[in-house]
Amino acid sequence: AQKITQTQPGMFVQEKEAVTLDCTYDTSDPSYGLFWYKQPSSGEMIFLIYQGSYDQQNATEGRYSLNFQKARKSANLVISASQLGDSAMYFCAMREYRDDKIIFGKGTRLHILP
Amino acid sequence: NAGVTQTPKFQVLKTGQSMTLQCAQDMNHEYMSWYRQDPGMGLRLIHYSVGAGITDQGEVPNGYNVSRSTTEDFPLRLLSAAPSQTSVYFCASRHRGLYEQYFGPGTRLTVT
Repeated sequence: AQKITQTQPGMFVQEKEAVTLDCTYDTSDPSYGLFWYKQPSSGEMIFLIYQGSYDQQNATEGRYSLNFQKARKSANLVISASQLGDSAMYFCAMREYRDDKIIFGKGTRLHILP
Repeated sequence: NAGVTQTPKFQVLKTGQSMTLQCAQDMNHEYMSWYRQDPGMGLRLIHYSVGAGITDQGEVPNGYNVSRSTTEDFPLRLLSAAPSQTSVYFCASRHRGLYEQYFGPGTRLTVT
């Protein structure tokens, strides 16, 4: 069963607009963590943001925030004021504490239009 | 401090050949893992290790072997390469108990 679902294969967004990338997850482990990574065309994996399952507040890192809705099992990434350099592949990932492995979704390719 | 290094960067194999993808980290991380990335499939976990001498299977382990004799190194072995193993392979590491995972630059493998 797929544990991380990213339903948007591709998105086109106008520069300076806010972007929401969707991620839903499935786990029975009460302790888990959720991540977002960015992969630009150069291929490297860049860590963006992390949210723990017990964290009370949504995580934020600069222009990135994670909209964590635990009951709905969703962990959407919000990018405020998008820039051309945000064009990349974005991956949602989850770590279940019981087996300590990190698995990824299929990704969303984001295109920022000038 | 080199971080996570992978060799080679590119490799072409013929079906049936064997090879080892190398991964090393100099951050004294306990946890290391191998992923493969295929178009439309995201990153899929092949094998992972929580410390020297301990390895476990991920989502797609078939056709791959790993061992972890030192903290620094985590080689991935393809015993008999198949065209279905054409992919980009990423190695990653982190401190156990911390969340941020550091990735190597990747190895692009083509099996003909």
